Amino acid sequence: QKEVEQDPGPLSVPEGAIVSLNCTYSNSAFQYFMWYRQYSRKGPELLMYTYSSGNKEDGRFTAQVDKSSKYISLFIRDSQPSDSATYLCAMGANFGNEKLTFGTGTRLTIIP
Amino acid sequence: NAGVTQTPKFQVLKTGQSMTLQCAQDMNHEYMSWYRQDPGMGLRLIHYSVGAGITDQGEVPNGYNVSRSTTEDFPLRLLSAAPSQTSVYFCASSYRTSGLYGYTFGSGTRLTVV
Repeated sequence: QKEVEQDPGPLSVPEGAIVSLNCTYSNSAFQYFMWYRQYSRKGPELLMYTYSSGNKEDGRFTAQVDKSSKYISLFIRDSQPSDSATYLCAMGANFGNEKLTFGTGTRLTIIP
Repeated sequence: NAGVTQTPKFQVLKTGQSMTLQCAQDMNHEYMSWYRQDPGMGLRLIHYSVGAGITDQGEVPNGYNVSRSTTEDFPLRLLSAAPSQTSVYFCASSYRTSGLYGYTFGSGTRLTVV
């Protein structure tokens, strides 16, 4: 079993819909959680990060962490065609331990 | 500010050939790493470095060597290329507090071994 599980999709939704992307994990040591966005033929770029449990909002994006369930989510409101990309979750154990463990990524397409 | 620069962007190798993938960053990041990305496998860590002169193995190190003689550069060497090394390779860097700032990735090197 992988430490981080992520539904690979693909996921297609109409423009303006709310998108929910999810990851589960098994390592209780993970304390900080990130979402990366990767456009086709590009490197991943950091989209959101959260520390421990709770929600964090940034514009149309909300990251949610439930450590008790070992489950994290990324919500995209009012989705746009420019949101079409692969979204990767990533997790780390503690500050000073630089290694991150990535999910396999979910390919998202927003249909105009 | 260029960020993380990877060269070359594309490469075709014959089985058994060796080559070096270059990675340079200009952000004074302590931490640098190499990942390979394959369909259905996600990003897998090959080697990483927490500072000049210090390197360590990741999840899939076999067939690859690294060195870190300066803070800025972290080259990845393929010793004897095999078709199983066909992949997209990403270099990433971060401050030691990567939990706060995350990684900065390069744009990738697409390698095909025939």
